[in-house]
Amino acid sequence: GIQVEQSPPDLILQEGANSTLRCNFSDSVNNLQWFHQNPWGQLINLFYIPSGTKQNGRLSATTVATERYSLLYISSSQTTDSGVYFCAAPHGSGNTGKLIFGQGTTLQVKP
Amino acid sequence: GAGVSQSPSNKVTEKGKDVELRCDPISGHTALYWYRQSLGQGLEFLIYFQGNSAPDKSGLPSDRFSAERTGGSVSTLTIQRTQQEDSAVYLCASSLDWGRTIQYFGAGTRLSVL
Repeated sequence: GIQVEQSPPDLILQEGANSTLRCNFSDSVNNLQWFHQNPWGQLINLFYIPSGTKQNGRLSATTVATERYSLLYISSSQTTDSGVYFCAAPHGSGNTGKLIFGQGTTLQVKP
Repeated sequence: GAGVSQSPSNKVTEKGKDVELRCDPISGHTALYWYRQSLGQGLEFLIYFQGNSAPDKSGLPSDRFSAERTGGSVSTLTIQRTQQEDSAVYLCASSLDWGRTIQYFGAGTRLSVL
């Protein structure tokens, strides 16, 4: 099955700073999702982005499927951005909702 | 409903007891998924349902784990003869259909086995 690796594992930012989180995957994908897990444990879907670039407010994501990586950009970070960011990709080829998660990037934004 | 609902939010049980965890997906979502999040293990896929059918049960950790879904809606994950290593947060998600669609997660059930 697919391997999903995220970097960095931990990140500390000052409020207002920008950051880039990376997700590498070992096989081609047709379903790549980014999630934010807040300090209360709730997983929120940020982007469904198997390819291309999407933006939502201060967040944007780019997936380069041919090179097997995805990037999540956070601009002008706020303390509410703190938490764990996960990317997830399907286990095998074809249409599959069986997601394999990376180990996550733990982000702490300091005021 | 407005979102995926899971109950109970917390469950403390004694080793050897059986537990049932419930998931109520978003109305109209045909696909439902169970994941487990353990300290040091990350998020692991357990089982999915398309309608009431569970084609792939290979992610269930042992034969003490079972799941069912009725009426294409509510799902129950049952753990028999719980062990301490079963302690984790059990997360449920649903999506419009199986495959290339967004998965929406519930708040999870935190299970503690003493």
